[in-house]
Amino acid sequence: DGGITQSPKYLFRKEGQNVTLSCEQNLNHDAMYWYRQDPGQGLRLIYYSQIVNDFQKGDIAEGYSVSREKKESFPLTVTSAQKNPTAFYLCASSVRGGQQETQYFGPGTRLLVL
Amino acid sequence: AQSVTQPDIHITVSEGASLELRCNYSYGATPYLFWYVQSPGQGLQLLLKYFSGDTLVQGIKGFEAEFKRSQSSFNLRKPSVHWSDAAEYFCAVASNSGYALNFGKGTSLLVTP
Repeated sequence: DGGITQSPKYLFRKEGQNVTLSCEQNLNHDAMYWYRQDPGQGLRLIYYSQIVNDFQKGDIAEGYSVSREKKESFPLTVTSAQKNPTAFYLCASSVRGGQQETQYFGPGTRLLVL
Repeated sequence: AQSVTQPDIHITVSEGASLELRCNYSYGATPYLFWYVQSPGQGLQLLLKYFSGDTLVQGIKGFEAEFKRSQSSFNLRKPSVHWSDAAEYFCAVASNSGYALNFGKGTSLLVTP
């Protein structure tokens, strides 16, 4: 089955800790994205990547970092600089970047602060 | 900047009744518009999309949406709602940069027996 997987489903972070959220896709898509979802706020773009070894900041990149070493993988690190990390994080991918490209979403990771 | 407004935060309909969820967009050129649905604790599933052509778009699960340029709207409709349609619905517009979707804040649908 082709699709997008995110792990873990739930993640707990302690104060001052960096945590990494995994996103893997086997759709052979070039473009990948990370969104943050807060209650009543819709989704906001954190980072996106059009191709391997390239990525761009979205609207709310502060306190986050990413890498894109493989086409299939786009992990997101929530650093200790992100002061309010509790949220639902969604990874998406599309065949390529562009306005006419449909983005497909993974099941999400919920991050909670201890 | 492109933006989307979903005026209704919550909507309650009876099972079997018709449904219309409102979406208004702000965009200078022809917008690329999407409707997604999200069940609790899940990711987003694409219902339908509009890029050009016929302004009435058919989607999955019996949903349709109509693009009205004069009203800057892209409302989602379903003739007869099922209990399984209870979920959060998001309207989105592709940004000028081409690499992001700008989402509305969502409408939560409750279906009563």
